[in-house]
Amino acid sequence: RKEVEQDPGPFNVPEGATVAFNCTYSNSASQSFFWYRQDCRKEPKLLMSVYSSGNEDGRFTAQLNRASQYISLLIRDSKLSDSATYLCAVNRVSSASKIIFGSGTRLSIRP
Amino acid sequence: NAGVTQTPKFQVLKTGQSMTLQCAQDMNHEYMSWYRQDPGMGLRLIHYSVGAGITDQGEVPNGYNVSRSTTEDFPLRLLSAAPSQTSVYFCASSETDINEKLFFGSGTQLSVL
Repeated sequence: RKEVEQDPGPFNVPEGATVAFNCTYSNSASQSFFWYRQDCRKEPKLLMSVYSSGNEDGRFTAQLNRASQYISLLIRDSKLSDSATYLCAVNRVSSASKIIFGSGTRLSIRP
Repeated sequence: NAGVTQTPKFQVLKTGQSMTLQCAQDMNHEYMSWYRQDPGMGLRLIHYSVGAGITDQGEVPNGYNVSRSTTEDFPLRLLSAAPSQTSVYFCASSETDINEKLFFGSGTQLSVL
């Protein structure tokens, strides 16, 4: 089993729709969680950190469920520009911090 | 502010050749790392460094060497390139290993024939 798992998609939704996807992690001691956005042939860029209390940034909401060991990302009122691959990242708690990434979920917004 | 700079952007090697991928950051970040990205595999950690003079292995270190002689630079060396090392390589940095928000370079697309 992969340490961090994501549904690869693609999620194909119409503009204006709400879309959500999850990311599960296997290490219950993980402490830091992130969502990154990666456009085609570009580097990943931090979208948002995920806090225990959940956090919101405009149309984006991230949630953490420690009991079930998953994080989620909700995008409201989706735009064409939201089309990208969304990577979740989880720290691996060990002697030194290592960030482990999921394989990514591909999102395509259609007009 | 340049951030994280990687060179080259593209490289083609023959099996057995060696080369160095360059990575430099100008944000005075302590933590630097190298990832490779393959289709369906996500980003996999190759090596990382928590400060000058300190390096450690990630998930897939075999066939790669790193050194960190300065805070700014973290080169990745391929000792004897193999077709299995065909991938996109990303260098990333963060302020400390505790603050784990990573800033990525633009990537190097490497093909080994």
